[in-house]
Amino acid sequence: EDQVTQSPEALRLQEGESSSLNCSYTVSGLRGLFWYRQDPGKGPEFLFTLYSAGEEKEKERLKATLTKKESFLHITAPKPEDSATYLCAVQSASGGSYIPTFGRGTSLIVHP
Amino acid sequence: NAGVTQTPKFQVLKTGQSMTLQCAQDMNHEYMSWYRQDPGMGLRLIHYSVGAGITDQGEVPNGYNVSRSTTEDFPLRLLSAAPSQTSVYFCASSYSSPASGGRVTGELFFGEGSRLTVL
Repeated sequence: EDQVTQSPEALRLQEGESSSLNCSYTVSGLRGLFWYRQDPGKGPEFLFTLYSAGEEKEKERLKATLTKKESFLHITAPKPEDSATYLCAVQSASGGSYIPTFGRGTSLIVHP
Repeated sequence: NAGVTQTPKFQVLKTGQSMTLQCAQDMNHEYMSWYRQDPGMGLRLIHYSVGAGITDQGEVPNGYNVSRSTTEDFPLRLLSAAPSQTSVYFCASSYSSPASGGRVTGELFFGEGSRLTVL
């Protein structure tokens, strides 16, 4: 059974204080790992897809990296508008399964 | 560009009432799904569909019904609402891609959500 564990559950940062969110996963062959951002009262919004260990993707102050067991979402010099819940999901390459499995998310608050 | 549209955004029901949450997408995506999101539980898959006429159960299907008569629409029916069904419901769609081996990609497009309260 695919499993996704995100840590920490909640993170408070000061504006400009860089940090990382962690997504540990167990999957029978990784087809893809996905990061989403969810603002309060909204649906999740897709950020990145990572397919293989060593891959990196960047978007503004966010950089996602992938190893064989975990992914990190690095936030450089965050701003208050980066406050949101960040969700990680994995998609297995085994059998006919293609339904992504989601973690419970990390709630990020960036204080001005 | 509408993307995924859910209605209603808010609904209050009494125990035992029935209702339908509507979901429509205009991206010609073959894959559509329904999730519920509860505090501390994350997103849990209720039902999904890989194309018109094809539906399957997810992790928490009990008490919910779906159908997929067209590519665009994927309604979720609550036949007899219970307080345990109080939640925020999200509809999501996706497409198949060569990068995902020709299968449905995990890049999901979500609606804005429907907040349901059952008294």
